[in-house]
Amino acid sequence: EIVMTQSPATLSVSPGERVTLSCRASQSVSTNLGWYQQKPGQAPRLLIYGASTRATGIPARFSGSGSGTEFTLTISSLQSEDFAVYFCQQYKNWPPGYTFGQGTKLEIK
Amino acid sequence: EVQLVESGGGLVQSGGSLRLSCAASGFSFSSYWMTWLRHTPGKGPEWVASMNQDGGERYYMDSMKGRFTISRDNAKNSLYLQMNSLRAEDTAVYYCARETRAVFDPWGQGTLVTVSS
Repeated sequence: EIVMTQSPATLSVSPGERVTLSCRASQSVSTNLGWYQQKPGQAPRLLIYGASTRATGIPARFSGSGSGTEFTLTISSLQSEDFAVYFCQQYKNWPPGYTFGQGTKLEIK
Repeated sequence: EVQLVESGGGLVQSGGSLRLSCAASGFSFSSYWMTWLRHTPGKGPEWVASMNQDGGERYYMDSMKGRFTISRDNAKNSLYLQMNSLRAEDTAVYYCARETRAVFDPWGQGTLVTVSS
């Protein structure tokens, strides 16, 4: 099983700041990686797929990069609605065998 | 608007069974792979099972094989998850999701399954 590790677990940031979240795979997943945002009481929402392609309706301040085992999600200027938990998901071995990271929580500093 | 609405969760004793349902609307249900996922607070989401458009392909996470069964009724735009031999570690919010390009978009609002030991 491919293990996904996200860091840090929690990040305290101020609105307007630029933030970068990291996701590492235990083996290469090429660019078979997605990012999701989850707000309290809501289901996860797809942000990025193919490591760098924004999903429909996702603002341009969200960008993804990376390939192989190292990936990042960057939010260029944090808005109040961006404080949430972010998960990465690999899908190299599809089907089946999707795995998610444990998440990074963005908190207001 | 694409919408997925789960139902059927609840409290069940260890060893018991539950059947979850997911009603889909706003898209051509029969054209998509569909998936069940689950999530326990403080952990990452966990993929449970996926099914292709006509039900000819079904895949399960290893720990669910033989206990969970995914199915669908394209005429009713519905996805199901039959869960048997439930364990305390199956306690989670269960989501159905549309699968495209091996990612999940959107997810339903989820239904809580609690297994008491």
